[in-house]
Amino acid sequence: QQQVKQSPQSLIVQKGGISIINCAYENTAFDYFPWYQQFPGKGPALLIAIRPDVSEKKEGRFTISFNKSAKQFSLHIMDSQPGDSATYFCAAPLYGNKLVFGAGTILRVKS
Amino acid sequence: DGGITQSPKYLFRKEGQNVTLSCEQNLNHDAMYWYRQDPGQGLRLIYYSQIVNDFQKGDIAEGYSVSREKKESFPLTVTSAQKNPTAFYLCASSIDWTSGYTGELFFGEGSRLTVL
Repeated sequence: QQQVKQSPQSLIVQKGGISIINCAYENTAFDYFPWYQQFPGKGPALLIAIRPDVSEKKEGRFTISFNKSAKQFSLHIMDSQPGDSATYFCAAPLYGNKLVFGAGTILRVKS
Repeated sequence: DGGITQSPKYLFRKEGQNVTLSCEQNLNHDAMYWYRQDPGQGLRLIYYSQIVNDFQKGDIAEGYSVSREKKESFPLTVTSAQKNPTAFYLCASSIDWTSGYTGELFFGEGSRLTVL
């Protein structure tokens, strides 16, 4: 079964710092790579997604970088804030045209 | 407000009992999904439905059952055959099946099931 490998499992960053979360995948049927953000006790919500006709997409403090040859993509959170503390999931459309999620990264931003 | 409503938010069950989790959406979405979330394992797909009156097994369907009699509703039954049912269950929807893997999934707030 194809997987999406996400790292690190947890991350602690000082306020104002950069948070970086990485994901690697095997093969995809479509080039579409979303990141979901989940706050405790809530369902995940789409944060940002990339369709790699470009190698990078930026929305505010959040940036996705994509390396097609390495089959890797990453989420960068600039100027991290305590309100960014959440669990982040990457995902990729793998076998059977279904979205497969990474294991998640628990981010804590210390004020 | 449009969205996905899951109920109950918390549920306790004794071993050997079946339990049904409710999922209702008013987004007029064709496709609906059930995911299971366990710490360190991400979101794993249990069942999905591309359209009303149709559903398919996901990656971990054993011990679960679903129905899709109405577009708005996709209830999940956790049966006594599920060996480790304690988990956080998430229902989601997308505009259509294609959007489920090339667009946005909309999630409910989840149901936490604990087996005593």
